[in-house]
Amino acid sequence: QKEVEQNSGPLSVPEGAIASLNCTYSDRGSQSFFWYRQYSGKSPELIMFIYSNGDKEDGRFTAQLNKASQYVSLLIRDSQPSDSATYLCAVDNNNDMRFGAGTRLTVKP
Amino acid sequence: DAGVIQSPRHEVTEMGQEVTLRCKPISGHDYLFWYRQTMMRGLELLIYFNNNVPIDDSGMPEDRFSAKMPNASFSTLKIQPSEPRDSAVYFCASSREGGYTDTQYFGPGTRLTVL
Repeated sequence: QKEVEQNSGPLSVPEGAIASLNCTYSDRGSQSFFWYRQYSGKSPELIMFIYSNGDKEDGRFTAQLNKASQYVSLLIRDSQPSDSATYLCAVDNNNDMRFGAGTRLTVKP
Repeated sequence: DAGVIQSPRHEVTEMGQEVTLRCKPISGHDYLFWYRQTMMRGLELLIYFNNNVPIDDSGMPEDRFSAKMPNASFSTLKIQPSEPRDSAVYFCASSREGGYTDTQYFGPGTRLTVL
């Protein structure tokens, strides 16, 4: 079992729709959870982080964490073509950062 | 701030040669991380430093890989001898503080090709 699992996609949504990206993790001791966006040929850039159960909103992005279910998700509202990228879920346990393989998102105009 | 700086951006070398990758973290960041990304294995943590001291090198694939951080503004990742399977994009990242509050900022990466 992989430590951090994501659906590799591709996930395709029309412009203006909600994109839902999911991630599960195996280490129950994980303390912090990150979503990175990586455009093709570029480095990962942090979108959001979340530490506590529940929802955290930042503009069009909402991160959701459920530690009991070992599940973290990212919702992108009003998706734009510029959101097309690979989204990496990262799970950290005291600097032991593990990344998922990423979900490739395509937003079609 | 200029962000994390890595050099070279691209490196092509022949099997058996020594390769040195360089990284300058964001000023004031106490943690520095080296990652490797391939299509097959995704993004993997190789090693990280806190205040220039290596803390966890369990991700370093084998003895051919070594990393140093002689001061707070410079780190190197060396591969000697290099092999074709080392071909990957190597990222350096830094963060201000560790633990569960850390947020890592990535450099642009070095694309290494070993022929």
